[in-house]
Amino acid sequence: EVQLVESGGGLVKPGGSLRLSCAASGFTFSSYSMNWVRQAPGKGLEWVSSISSSSSYIYYADSVKGRFTISRDNAKNSLYLQMNSLRAEDTAVYYCARDFLGYCSGGSCPLDVWGQGTLVTVSS
Amino acid sequence: EIVMTQSPATLSVSPGERATLSCRASQSVSSNLAWYQQKPGQAPRLLIYGASTRATGIPARFSGSGSGTEFTLTISSLQSEDFAVYYCQQYNNWPPVYTFGQGTKLEIK
Repeated sequence: EVQLVESGGGLVKPGGSLRLSCAASGFTFSSYSMNWVRQAPGKGLEWVSSISSSSSYIYYADSVKGRFTISRDNAKNSLYLQMNSLRAEDTAVYYCARDFLGYCSGGSCPLDVWGQGTLVTVSS
Repeated sequence: EIVMTQSPATLSVSPGERATLSCRASQSVSSNLAWYQQKPGQAPRLLIYGASTRATGIPARFSGSGSGTEFTLTISSLQSEDFAVYYCQQYNNWPPVYTFGQGTKLEIK
């Protein structure tokens, strides 16, 4: 079964740091670009960051650029998001999601597999 | 940045009836548009990609249409499990800056 499982969420104070992980199984993780997408409580979906299959290409939303770092370890089938200088507005459920390989436009794709999400709460 | 606008924000429809959801892009995204369904407490699920192609396992009552800047998701005969929030997403730009619409909540009338 194709599966993504996030972990690492929790309560952190403003200015603090947190590292999210996403464990992939059931597919060849090293062949896929991956993404982080977040959803603030009661709000819509916001793309956060993307990383190509070999980590050669990395992109961030302007709202997190300079504070968040995406990375992956293909040997461990894992995706990560290091979040520093956290703000109240970063409070959200964070999902990892897989690019739908083969149905992309250039390097941009629909997202065909999503994890269940992990909640990050930034509050004093 | 391409802005995606969905309408209406909330749609009240009776089971068995047809629902029509709209999504507009601020500039052309060709057919590089996806629709997702999200139920409370769950992750989004891919319904439609390429503006009109159903993802694996999606019932035939879901259909997508449009290209350029105007898109529609139609659910032909609403079942109880279809009441959820629906998001559109464009994936037409490079480097990838995926943008989503703000969502349409489909509720039982």
